[in-house]
Amino acid sequence: DAGVIQSPRHEVTEMGQEVTLRCKPISGHDYLFWYRQTMMRGLELLIYFNNNVPIDDSGMPEDRFSAKMPNASFSTLKIQPSEPRDSAVYFCASSLSTYGYTFGSGTRLTVV
Amino acid sequence: SQQGEEDPQALSIQEGENATMNCSYKTSINNLQWYRQNSGRGLVHLILIRSNEREKHSGRLRVTLDTSKKSSSLLITASRAADTASYFCATGGDKIIFGKGTRLHILP
Repeated sequence: DAGVIQSPRHEVTEMGQEVTLRCKPISGHDYLFWYRQTMMRGLELLIYFNNNVPIDDSGMPEDRFSAKMPNASFSTLKIQPSEPRDSAVYFCASSLSTYGYTFGSGTRLTVV
Repeated sequence: SQQGEEDPQALSIQEGENATMNCSYKTSINNLQWYRQNSGRGLVHLILIRSNEREKHSGRLRVTLDTSKKSSSLLITASRAADTASYFCATGGDKIIFGKGTRLHILP
């Protein structure tokens, strides 16, 4: 298995632009999580899905953030419009029944 | 869901020495997990210990769990340069909230 695949690895965008981060979880995993990591706030859970259904999006910072999981093998996290304070590393993770998350390599987002 | 809190925040030791990190949590748990994060990478799951277990080993890793004190420890024996990383504990549940972790630095 190739593990959790995230794309792109790096994204540099201008303030106000739309950003879409992508994630392919491990086949067969029924949970998918989106985290954001910064030096100041550490790892923050943004949203998670179970069987493609969003369960808890209380960590999504504001309406500019949205996430979808149209099928078991794909999820997106969208920021529109992006702001400099959104600069962070965004991680996707998947798991089978919440035991032992497998993380992707992350997307480093820089908004200038 | 709940957050584990790691202690110390940072630890520097000489290569070959043992490293011990601690974790505390607040409510009852079904299991506790430890993760490692190398710089610039995603977290890697190291080990899971269930609430009815007191100790678990995996290679050079030894994890203990004391549910009466709501605490766990991770011991890395005979440390190597490659062990330099941040280490996080996490309690089980429908979602995991990670703490700030312990930054371990192995000195050559």
